[in-house]
Amino acid sequence: QVQLVQSGAEVKKPGASVKVSCKASGYSFIDYDINWVRQAPGQGLEWMGWMNPNSGNTGYAQKFQGRVTMTRNTSIKTAYMELSSLRSDDTAVYYCVKGSDINNDYDFDQWGQGTLVTVSS
Amino acid sequence: SYVLTQPPSVSVAPGKTATITCGGDSIGTKSVHWYQQRPGQAPILVISFGTDRAAGIPARFSGSNSESAATLTISRVRAEDEADYYCHAWDDSSDHQVFGGGTKLTVL
Repeated sequence: QVQLVQSGAEVKKPGASVKVSCKASGYSFIDYDINWVRQAPGQGLEWMGWMNPNSGNTGYAQKFQGRVTMTRNTSIKTAYMELSSLRSDDTAVYYCVKGSDINNDYDFDQWGQGTLVTVSS
Repeated sequence: SYVLTQPPSVSVAPGKTATITCGGDSIGTKSVHWYQQRPGQAPILVISFGTDRAAGIPARFSGSNSESAATLTISRVRAEDEADYYCHAWDDSSDHQVFGGGTKLTVL
């Protein structure tokens, strides 16, 4: 079955960076976009950006431009999201999400279990 | 930037019908998707492209889309349907994915 398994919880200090991994299984990793979505405590869902695992092309939400980098390693079917210059309001659960296609106009048909990133001094 | 607007909360008695709306400019021209998120869990896809039920989702869940709003309808509501529901669409003008603010469904 399709699965996205994310790395474990992280605690970071303000100003640091965090890199979250997302290992895919059960489908052809390079054929579907991976998106990243975050959810602050008690808040709604916030889209961060997308990556085409085949080409490596990316697109980031304007809010995160310059602070987020999405990469992948196709040999191990793993996507990564790195967020830099962390602030306390970056404390959230970060989800990797599989798109159902590669043309952006798609649903998110599989979600990872989420990775809690806590930013605290 | 494109905005999707949902009511913050909807309450319904068991066995009745719940209706959750999602509004936005020209929403009738967009593909709208719906997700269910139970407390402490990741969201799951419920309805895709306005009307298509995702695999394993009961037939009690249905979706529609019109010029004024996209709608998620849950018939014969059960206690297990209590969750947060989010609508989602792609905004082609900004090339951004957009979520509604979410609706908390309470089963009375």
